[in-house]
This record gives sequence, C-alpha cells and structure tokens, in this order.
Amino acid sequence: DAGVIQSPRHEVTEMGQEVTLRCKPISGHNSLFWYRQTMMRGLELLIYFNNNVPIDDSGMPEDRFSAKMPNASFSTLKIQPSEPRDSAVYFCASSLGGARRGAFFGQGTRLTVV
Amino acid sequence: GESVGLHLPTLSVQEGDNSIINCAYSNSASDYFIWYKQESGKGPQFIIDIRSNMDKRQGQRVTVLLNKTVKHLSLQIAATQPGDSAVYFCAERSGNTPLVFGKGTRLSVIA
Repeated sequence: DAGVIQSPRHEVTEMGQEVTLRCKPISGHNSLFWYRQTMMRGLELLIYFNNNVPIDDSGMPEDRFSAKMPNASFSTLKIQPSEPRDSAVYFCASSLGGARRGAFFGQGTRLTVV
Repeated sequence: GESVGLHLPTLSVQEGDNSIINCAYSNSASDYFIWYKQESGKGPQFIIDIRSNMDKRQGQRVTVLLNKTVKHLSLQIAATQPGDSAVYFCAERSGNTPLVFGKGTRLSVIA
C-alpha cells in the first residue's frame, strides 16, 4: 500500500492567490482528516470526512478555507485568497472506522505564502 | 512537518539506554490514546495505541502506560537507537471526537 499521498509536497504562492492541496487516502479507509501544523499551534484538526461526508469542520479557520471529498479516493483543501499567516505544513490523514481509530498521515504539503 | 513548538521539551538519551516520554492529558473522558513519531520532513507515524480499559500495552521495543487516575500517559522505548530521534506526540480522544494532539517531545539520541 502506498499510504496517504499528498500533492504538492511544497507550494510557494503569493498572497491573494488560490491554493489547492490534494490528498489520496489509503484505499479502503472511510475517514479522511485535514490537519495543519505550525510552530506556534502544533497539529490542529481542520476538518474530517466520514464516507465522503464532512462531519466536523469547526477547525476550519475561516471562510477562505474549504474542503471537498468528491469520492472515496480524493480530497482537496482550498485556500482562497491565501494569506501569509496560512503558511504551515498541511497534513492529510485517513483511517478505517472514523474518528475513533488511529489515523495514518501523508507526508504533508509545506505551504509558504509570501 | 518538522518542529511543533518554539519550546518543545527535549529528552536526550544515550544510545542503548531506555527512553521514557511523558504526556499529561486533561480530559478525564478521554478513552483512546495514541503515540505518534514524527521525523523531520515527514508526517506523524502511528506507533502504538491504548484504550482506557487498559493500563499497559506492549509493542516491538515500545510500551505505553496509562494512568487514568492522574491522567498521564507514557511511552517507553527500549534500547534507544539513533533512528528513534524524532518528535513524539501523544494524541487522545473521547467518544466519537477526533484525535487531539499534544505539543510533542523531541527525543535526541546521543551515539
């Protein structure tokens, strides 16, 4: 199994631009999580999906952030417009059994907004 | 996926010694706990988990201990190796809520 696959690994963009992060969960997993990691705040859950349905998006910072999961094998996290304070490493994770089980993480996307 | 906090607690251990990494949690309703390892430039990697109906669980070279009375979790690594150098996170959840991660501890293995 290839594990959770995220793309791109690195993204540098200018303030105001739209950014789209992509994730392919582990095949067969029915839950998908988006996390953000920063030096100051550590790992924060942004949103998670169960069977492609968003369950809890209370961690999404503001309306500039949106996430979709059109099918069981693909999810996107979009930031529009991006701001320098969005600079962080964004992780996607997946699990079998919802939020009750351990999640397996991708390698992350390092986003830098200048 | 490198650093987690400006002031991460750091544990320095001699190669071959045992390591003990501690984690305190505040939610007495937490019923599931996981330890993750995060190496520089990588995502957190699942190490071992434990449910609240247990107080000890062993894996390969790792043991997790849970003390619900004082809300304390520890990860013991036997015969620590250079490859164990990383940031270690505990994570907890209660009921159907998603995992909540601690700030992490940096383990540095001295060869």
